Amino acid sequence: GAVVSQHPSRVICKSGTSVKIECRSLDFQATTMFWYRQFPKKSLMLMATSNEGSKATYEQGVEKDKFLINHASLTLSTLTVTSAHPEDSSFYICSLVGGSVVEQFFGPGTRLTVL
Amino acid sequence: KNEVEQSPQNLTAQEGEFITINCSYSVGISALHWLQQHPGGGIVSLFMLSSGKKKHGRLIATINIQEKHSSLHITASHPRDSAVYICAVSLAGTASKLTFGTGTRLQVTL
Repeated sequence: GAVVSQHPSRVICKSGTSVKIECRSLDFQATTMFWYRQFPKKSLMLMATSNEGSKATYEQGVEKDKFLINHASLTLSTLTVTSAHPEDSSFYICSLVGGSVVEQFFGPGTRLTVL
Repeated sequence: KNEVEQSPQNLTAQEGEFITINCSYSVGISALHWLQQHPGGGIVSLFMLSSGKKKHGRLIATINIQEKHSSLHITASHPRDSAVYICAVSLAGTASKLTFGTGTRLQVTL
C-alpha cells in the first residue's frame, strides 16, 4: 500500500493562531485526498474531499473559510485551521486514493491542541 | 440510526481466544472496509471486500451482501491485536467516500 505521512504529528498552539497540517503521499499519486477529524473515542468524521488542482468539497457543517484545504499536487495536500479555538482541538487524519484504486491509505494523524 | 453499526462496542479477550466483530449496514455499498486504529491514532487498512471472504494471516473478513452484514475474525488473538477496529463502507456510486461505524475497542490480555 501507499505510504502516507503527516506533519506535524502533534501541535499545540494558542487560541487565535493558524495551524497548517501537511499530508504527503511518499510513493503514490493521489488524485483524491480526504481530511477527517476525530474526537476522543468517537468515529472519524469526514471534513472535506480534495481533488488535485481543484477546490475542495466540504461536508455539511464544516466551514470552508475556517478549514482551508489546498491540494497543490498529486503528493501533497494541506489543511490550515485558521484562527484556531479550543473546540478545534482534535485528531486530524488524511487519507488518499489514486486512479482506479478504491482502497484508501491513511496518514498517521495530527493531534491538535488549542490552548 | 447509523448507516453502519458495529458490535460489540467494547470487547475484552484473553490471549489465544477467537474473536468476532460484527458490522451491519443499511445502505447500498460498493465495498466494505475493515480498518485498525492503534492507540497512537494511526489507521491501517486491513481489508477491502465486496463479496465473499478474505484472509490475511490470523485475520479473516467475510461479507454477506444479501444480509448487509460483515464479520471480522481474529484467530489466536494476541495482546498486540489490542486496537480499535472500524468498519467502513463505500456507498454505492461513491467509490471513495467512506461512511464509518463507531468502532469496536478490543483489549486482549495475557
